[in-house]
Amino acid sequence: AQSVTQPDIHITVSEGASLELRCNYSYGATPYLFWYVQSPGQGLQLLLKYFSGDTLVQGIKGFEAEFKRSQSSFNLRKPSVHWSDAAEYFCAVGDSNYQLIWGAGTKLIIKP
Amino acid sequence: NAGVTQTPKFQVLKTGQSMTLQCAQDMNHEYMSWYRQDPGMGLRLIHYSVGAGITDQGEVPNGYNVSRSTTEDFPLRLLSAAPSQTSVYFCASSYGTLDEKLFFGSGTQLSVL
Repeated sequence: AQSVTQPDIHITVSEGASLELRCNYSYGATPYLFWYVQSPGQGLQLLLKYFSGDTLVQGIKGFEAEFKRSQSSFNLRKPSVHWSDAAEYFCAVGDSNYQLIWGAGTKLIIKP
Repeated sequence: NAGVTQTPKFQVLKTGQSMTLQCAQDMNHEYMSWYRQDPGMGLRLIHYSVGAGITDQGEVPNGYNVSRSTTEDFPLRLLSAAPSQTSVYFCASSYGTLDEKLFFGSGTQLSVL
């Protein structure tokens, strides 16, 4: 069965510093991979997705993620975080049956 | 453009009571789904639908029923509420293919006493 692991429950980063959030998945075939962000009072929003092609994908708000098949990873990165990036981030993997399996989330805390 | 509308936003039930969480979308999306979100567990799929008249179970369907009589509406019914169903519930929709992004409602916070 497919699964998604986000090893970090929370991460604290200084404003202006770089960010990497980790995501590892278990899936037999080529997965559909997503990163969503959940901000207080704003619901869940898609940051980026990967399903084929270039393994480095660009998303909204300056985020990018790299699919590494050999490591079963899809880590999210941002070169310089802003205070408004404080939120909870979820990685998800989709299968061919329209089901998404979600990681437990990583809460991002920004230090001024 | 309303998007995905969930009602109510908050609900308190007693054990054994039944209720329906409403979800409606105005984007003509074929795919609709219900998730529950619990601390430390991410989102878990309860039920989903790929079109009117078609529903299927997700990861955690027990204790919940759904129906999809129209493209727009996808209500979630709790038949006999239990404290284990205390959670935040999200409805989501998309155009239908898995590589399309999900549009989420604002959530329903449910407490079962």
